[in-house]
Amino acid sequence: GQNIDQPTEMTATEGAIVQINCTYQTSGFNGLFWYQQHAGEAPTFLSYNVLDGLEEKGRFSSFLSRSKGYSYLLLNELQMKDSASYLCAVQRGSTLGRLYFGRGTQLTVWP
Amino acid sequence: DTAVSQTPKYLVTQMGNDKSIKCEQNLGHDTMYWYKQDSKKFLKIMFSYNNKELIINETVPNRFSPKSPDKAHLNLHINSLELGDSAVYFCASSLGQGAFSGANVLTFGAGSRLTVL
Repeated sequence: GQNIDQPTEMTATEGAIVQINCTYQTSGFNGLFWYQQHAGEAPTFLSYNVLDGLEEKGRFSSFLSRSKGYSYLLLNELQMKDSASYLCAVQRGSTLGRLYFGRGTQLTVWP
Repeated sequence: DTAVSQTPKYLVTQMGNDKSIKCEQNLGHDTMYWYKQDSKKFLKIMFSYNNKELIINETVPNRFSPKSPDKAHLNLHINSLELGDSAVYFCASSLGQGAFSGANVLTFGAGSRLTVL
């Protein structure tokens, strides 16, 4: 099986930096994804890590440590529109797209 | 022009009924998926088809039957609906089963909210 843990809720103010952590225990690890989901909408892809280290994409960065079973998503220069649920997902095995999601971290950005 | 479209967006029905949800993607992707998001917001994989062939069946009751008439379409039929089937069902697609080049990024549809009374 797999256990994927992330905080349920976080709050921050506009312009701040926030780090959302995700820990996982799984067999057959084959990559970790972060998705953003606004209320009532589809999840949208943010980042993917399969090797240890930091991946940067604009205001968002994601880090992975496979030995520690740990990832984080870093959001810089927060904007109101960043208020959403952030889903950590682990890909298992050789069949791509077999993602196991955490329950998501609901981020609220205050003005 | 919607990349992954699914219908209906909302579905309210009685226990015991049979219902279908349809999904179409115009991205030219080879692989399509059904995910279920329950009331606790957990998103769980149900099925995946690669070029019309079933490749993932994640211990889903056999009341759920996916059908892929071609690689651009993946429908989900549910028999004898139960209260616990109430959820949002998301269709998704990805390029295919190639490795590490972004082929495994999922594009999700807007979801179909099923309510069983």
